[in-house]
Amino acid sequence: EAGVAQSPRYKIIEKRQSVAFWCNPISGHATLYWYQQILGQGPKLLIQFQNNGVVDDSQLPKDRFSAERLKGVDSTLKIQPAKLEDSAVYLCASSTPARYEQYFGPGTRLTVT
Amino acid sequence: GESVGLHLPTLSVQEGDNSIINCAYSNSASDYFIWYKQESGKGPQFIIDIRSNMDKRQGQRVTVLLNKTVKHLSLQIAATQPGDSAVYFCADQGGRGGSARQLTFGSGTQLTVLP
Repeated sequence: EAGVAQSPRYKIIEKRQSVAFWCNPISGHATLYWYQQILGQGPKLLIQFQNNGVVDDSQLPKDRFSAERLKGVDSTLKIQPAKLEDSAVYLCASSTPARYEQYFGPGTRLTVT
Repeated sequence: GESVGLHLPTLSVQEGDNSIINCAYSNSASDYFIWYKQESGKGPQFIIDIRSNMDKRQGQRVTVLLNKTVKHLSLQIAATQPGDSAVYFCADQGGRGGSARQLTFGSGTQLTVLP
């Protein structure tokens, strides 16, 4: 079974630029999560989707971050404009609605200079 | 607010010894707990989970113990191997019921296996 795919793996941008991350969850997984993981910390949930609907985006900085999952499969997370404090690993995870266990992708390491 | 924390940020053990990684949680309403392993440059990988109606659960070389009285969770790794070197995170369901299925992660413990 293929795992969660993410791209790009690494991205370096200057502050005030925009960036987008892509995630393809495990086939059949209706629930998709985006996390931000700052160095030395655990993952922090940004947004949760169930199919193409948002379940929880309470911790998403909506003035600069946006995410969508238009067809209920792939998802994109965008940051515009980026700030220095956005430097982190952005993790995508997926699960079936009935389970707590989440499967994570390899993440995208973002460096904002 | 509610949080999940770890007692020690780093742990070093000799290869072949047993490892114990501890975790404290604050939300008494949490009914599900999970341990993840994260190797450098990779996403977290599921190790083992436990529900609040259990005190102990065993997997392959790993055991999770749950003490609800003191809100404490531990992960025991038997015969630690070099491949066990990683950051270990505990996470809990955070008391969110219904369809949310969300996890709250602790800050992690770096396990280093010494030759």
